[in-house]
Amino acid sequence: ETGVTQTPRHLVMGMTNKKSLKCEQHLGHNAMYWYKQSAKKPLELMFVYNFKEQTENNSVPSRFSPECPNSSHLFLHLHTLQPEDSALYLCASSQDAGGGFAEQFFGPGTRLTVL
Amino acid sequence: GNSVTQMEGPVTLSEEAFLTINCTYTATGYPSLFWYVQYPGEGLQLLLKATKADDKGSNKGFEATYRKETTSFHLEKGSVQVSDSAVYFCALSARNYGGSQGNLIFGKGTKLSVKP
Repeated sequence: ETGVTQTPRHLVMGMTNKKSLKCEQHLGHNAMYWYKQSAKKPLELMFVYNFKEQTENNSVPSRFSPECPNSSHLFLHLHTLQPEDSALYLCASSQDAGGGFAEQFFGPGTRLTVL
Repeated sequence: GNSVTQMEGPVTLSEEAFLTINCTYTATGYPSLFWYVQYPGEGLQLLLKATKADDKGSNKGFEATYRKETTSFHLEKGSVQVSDSAVYFCALSARNYGGSQGNLIFGKGTKLSVKP
C-alpha cells in the first residue's frame, strides 16, 4: 500500500452504535489530520496530530474521539452520533504541522451515514 | 477571520473550452494560496500553489496567479479535457504571528464537468 489509506470506505451506523474509522499513512510523515466534508459546506478541519500529540481540536463534539497511537496511524472513534454527522470523513498527513507549509496528502475518505 | 470564497458550481464546459474558476480570500498575515482537486471517489490532491504576491502556480496546464491587490487566486486552463472533470477547492494557509504556517482553510469547492 502507498500513500494514505482509510477504512472502511463506507459505513452505515445507528445513533446508538459505536464504530471507529482508521487511517494509515505510508509516507513517513509526522502530522495527521481529520477533516469533515459535508455537502454544500467547506471542508472542516477537526483534529491535528503532530508527532503523536494533539495540537488542534477545532471545537469538535465529544462524540468524536481521536486516537493517534503512532505517527502512521490515526483513528476516529464514534459514539452516539446524530444524523447531521453524516458526511465524508477525510484523513490527511504531512511531513509535519507548523513551521513552513508542508503539503497535505489525503486519503479517499470514509462515507459515513448515520440513521 | 480568514476565509475563502469561490464561485458556485457546477460548471459545465465542452472539451477544449477555456476554464476560469474564481477564488477570493480574506486573511491576516501573509497567506499562502492553493488549489486542490478531488477526482470522483478519491481524496484531495494538491494541484498548484503560490506562496507570495505575484507568484504564479502552474501544473497540468492549470495556472493561478496570487493577486494581493484584488485578494484573488483565480484558476485557469486554456483547453479543458474530459479527464479534468472533478471538484476544485481553493485554500489558504495564513502565517501566524509567531511565523509558523497555519492550517488550511478551504472554499466550498466548485464541481467541473467537461463534456466530449
